[in-house]
Amino acid sequence: AQSVTQLDSHVSVSEGTPVLLRCNYSSSYSPSLFWYVQHPNKGLQLLLKYTSAATLVKGINGFEAEFKKSETSFHLTKPSAHMSDAAEYFCVVNYGGATNKLIFGTGTLLAVQP
Amino acid sequence: KAGVTQTPRYLIKTRGQQVTLSCSPISGHRSVSWYQQTPGQGLQFLFEYFSETQRNKGNFPGRFSGRQFSNSRSEMNVSTLELGDSALYLCASSPSGTGTFYGYTFGSGTRLTVV
Repeated sequence: AQSVTQLDSHVSVSEGTPVLLRCNYSSSYSPSLFWYVQHPNKGLQLLLKYTSAATLVKGINGFEAEFKKSETSFHLTKPSAHMSDAAEYFCVVNYGGATNKLIFGTGTLLAVQP
Repeated sequence: KAGVTQTPRYLIKTRGQQVTLSCSPISGHRSVSWYQQTPGQGLQFLFEYFSETQRNKGNFPGRFSGRQFSNSRSEMNVSTLELGDSALYLCASSPSGTGTFYGYTFGSGTRLTVV
């Protein structure tokens, strides 16, 4: 079955330290992969997307993610966390074709300590 | 450029009633999808419309239905509301038929509370 797994439900970092949010997907072929962020009581905002071009994808607000097919991973990173990064992050897969729907991970809640 | 607009933002309904939620996609976007977000089940796909046709449907009961108009605006309807239907309902639009290369732009959602 097609699925996406976010390995951590909560991550806490100090302001100014690196952020790593982990994501693995199941697939028999390369899907499109996305990271979305959701701030409290807000909708979802697209951070970045992978669509079979460069494996290192740069997004907004200093975030980037690397697609590793051999590991079926698409981890999200940021060199230096900011207080405004505190939010919930979703790793999302779109397999396209006959199943054109997004499959969401369960989310990782990022807390940033001062 | 206006984003995806969902109305209303908040809604309180009584069990057994029905409700209609509205979504106006970004101008030029022809694909509209709906998602339900709850603390217990997370984000789940409801259905997707493209050019007024439902192309995909998630695993929800028939009480959940939707439609898309010729101007790409979409509505979803939930009949015979149950307490478990309380959720944030998110609409997303995409310019392409598959969404593969563009991703989706989400609205701010409609928070439905069933009492």
